[in-house]
Amino acid sequence: DAGVTQSPTHLIKTRGQQVTLRCSPKSGHDTVSWYQQALGQGPQFIFQYYEEEERQRGNFPDRFSGHQYPNYSSELNVNALLLGDSALYLCASSIRDRATNEQFFGPGTRLTVL
Amino acid sequence: AQSVTQLDSQVPVFEEAPVELRCNYSSSVSVYLFWYVQYPNQGLQLLLKYLSGSTLVKGINGFEAEFNKSQTSFHLRKPSVHISDTAEYFCAVSVYSSASKIIFGSGTRLSIRP
Repeated sequence: DAGVTQSPTHLIKTRGQQVTLRCSPKSGHDTVSWYQQALGQGPQFIFQYYEEEERQRGNFPDRFSGHQYPNYSSELNVNALLLGDSALYLCASSIRDRATNEQFFGPGTRLTVL
Repeated sequence: AQSVTQLDSQVPVFEEAPVELRCNYSSSVSVYLFWYVQYPNQGLQLLLKYLSGSTLVKGINGFEAEFNKSQTSFHLRKPSVHISDTAEYFCAVSVYSSASKIIFGSGTRLSIRP
């Protein structure tokens, strides 16, 4: 079992550009959540996808959008990048019908905006 | 709404000494409680979780935590730390739901001195 995988590992962009981050969930998982972890802080919830729909959303602007594919993989898109978007972006997968809400995290994508 | 407070941003401790990382939470509804560990340049790994039942929870790598409902605390402990325990530790909560977002504290950096 490969666990949760994310790509790319690192990414450097300039202000105003757009970026797409990718996540493949753990085998058997159907729900994907995205978190942003700024330097020196705890992760903050961006949104969650299930059955190809956004089910929950945190306090992030519309510049942050996502998608989930039929194979449960997911993308996070960020438009009009700002310097403050520099962070580690974590993807977590889980099984929606499992009441324990245990989420498994990937290694993250480190985004640097210059 | 839920919130998590980790009372210490950094905890230095000598190798083989005991350690306690403190966590308090706030919630008007019942919650699940988690401790995650993040090693340098890596994602999050679940150390342990409290869902219900016994208030003393044992996790991986010799860590344990005790849920105290009256004090709304979930402190993490280890009787004897090793150099390999050097990492960032995050306390987290989520409401009773199969797909709820996880809310993280700001983290405690555990540094082990030889």
